Amino acid sequence: EDQVTQSPEALRLQEGESSSLNCSYTVSGLRGLFWYRQDPGKGPEFLFTLYSAGEEKEKERLKATLTKKESFLHITAPKPEDSATYLCAVQALQGAQKLVFGQGTRLTINP
Amino acid sequence: DSGVTQTPKHLITATGQRVTLRCSPRSGDLSVYWYQQSLDQGLQFLIHYYNGEERAKGNILERFSAQQFPDLHSELNLSSLELGDSALYFCASSVPTTGFTDTQYFGPGTRLTVL
Repeated sequence: EDQVTQSPEALRLQEGESSSLNCSYTVSGLRGLFWYRQDPGKGPEFLFTLYSAGEEKEKERLKATLTKKESFLHITAPKPEDSATYLCAVQALQGAQKLVFGQGTRLTINP
Repeated sequence: DSGVTQTPKHLITATGQRVTLRCSPRSGDLSVYWYQQSLDQGLQFLIHYYNGEERAKGNILERFSAQQFPDLHSELNLSSLELGDSALYFCASSVPTTGFTDTQYFGPGTRLTVL
């Protein structure tokens, strides 16, 4: 069964303090790994798709990387508006095109 | 704004009742996915429709059903509601592309409260 585990569950940082969020996954052949941002009571907002080990993608203060067993979301010099829950999901090569989500990391950036 | 719309935004109802949640996908997207998000379970896949046909089912209860109409909007029907059905229900849409995965864009969700 495909599984995604995210750590830590929650993370508090000071504004400007860089850090990384982890997403470990097991999947029977990876079609894609996705990162989403979710604000309270809102729908997940797409950030990145990664397809193969070694791939990296960047957007403003965020950079996502992928290995064969995990992905990292690096946040550089975060601002309070980066506070949100960050969700990681995988889509398997075979079978349904569903996304299997982790429980998320709740990130709080203090000014 | 993802371009996916969902109505209603909030729904409060009683146990045993039936409700219908509606989703309009982004213009041009043929696939619609339904997910349930509860505090203890996280985001869970329910069902996938592609161009009017059911493609895959996940952890969807028999009391729940869905369909996708010719204009590509989708409805999720929840019946004999129980307290445990209280959750956020999201719809996502995508354009399938050959060779790579298709990104799913999520709507704002419907918050269902069963009293």
